Amino acid sequence: DAGVIQSPRHEVTEMGQEVTLRCKPISGHDYLFWYRQTMMRGLELLIYFNNNVPIDDSGMPEDRFSAKMPNASFSTLKIQPSEPRDSAVYFCASSRTGLNQPQHFGDGTRLSIL
Amino acid sequence: GQQLNQSPQSMFIQEGEDVSMNCTSSSIFNTWLWYKQDPGEGPVLLIALYKAGELTSNGRLTAQFGITRKDSFLNISASIPSDVGIYFCAGSRYNNNDMRFGAGTRLTVKP
Repeated sequence: DAGVIQSPRHEVTEMGQEVTLRCKPISGHDYLFWYRQTMMRGLELLIYFNNNVPIDDSGMPEDRFSAKMPNASFSTLKIQPSEPRDSAVYFCASSRTGLNQPQHFGDGTRLSIL
Repeated sequence: GQQLNQSPQSMFIQEGEDVSMNCTSSSIFNTWLWYKQDPGEGPVLLIALYKAGELTSNGRLTAQFGITRKDSFLNISASIPSDVGIYFCAGSRYNNNDMRFGAGTRLTVKP
């Protein structure tokens, strides 16, 4: 079975540019999560969706961050404009039944903002 | 919100030794999950716990959901080099839109 697929695996761009991260969850999983991982703050939940609807975006750091899920098999996390402090590894995860159930993680996108 | 305190931060052990790590919180949790993360990859679920007192094994790994529901433990027996990685605990409360992760325990196993 295909796992959670994220793209790109690595992204290096200059500050001020728009960044779009993509995720394809596991088929049949109703929940999709976006996380950010840094050395200083560890794994942080940014936003999650249930059946393509955003449920809780309280973890989104600021208005420069936005996420969409136009259908059950695709989600994007966008940063516009990007800043150096956004540099981190961004993970997408999905689960079948809920936030407190085991989540399957993608391999992440390592983002570097210069 | 509730915080998860995971310890130790790092461990350096010899191959064959047993390992123990834990997570504690000041709040009660309904679910405890343990993940392992290898370099360049996302966390992978090891064990999920849903009941206070529950003890669950997965091969050489054993995890327990504390009786007070405020802590959980993960033990690894007879460690091997491929056990190297970062181990995370995660907890959530039912009807609470929150899944918290511990800061991780970085395990190094010397052959």
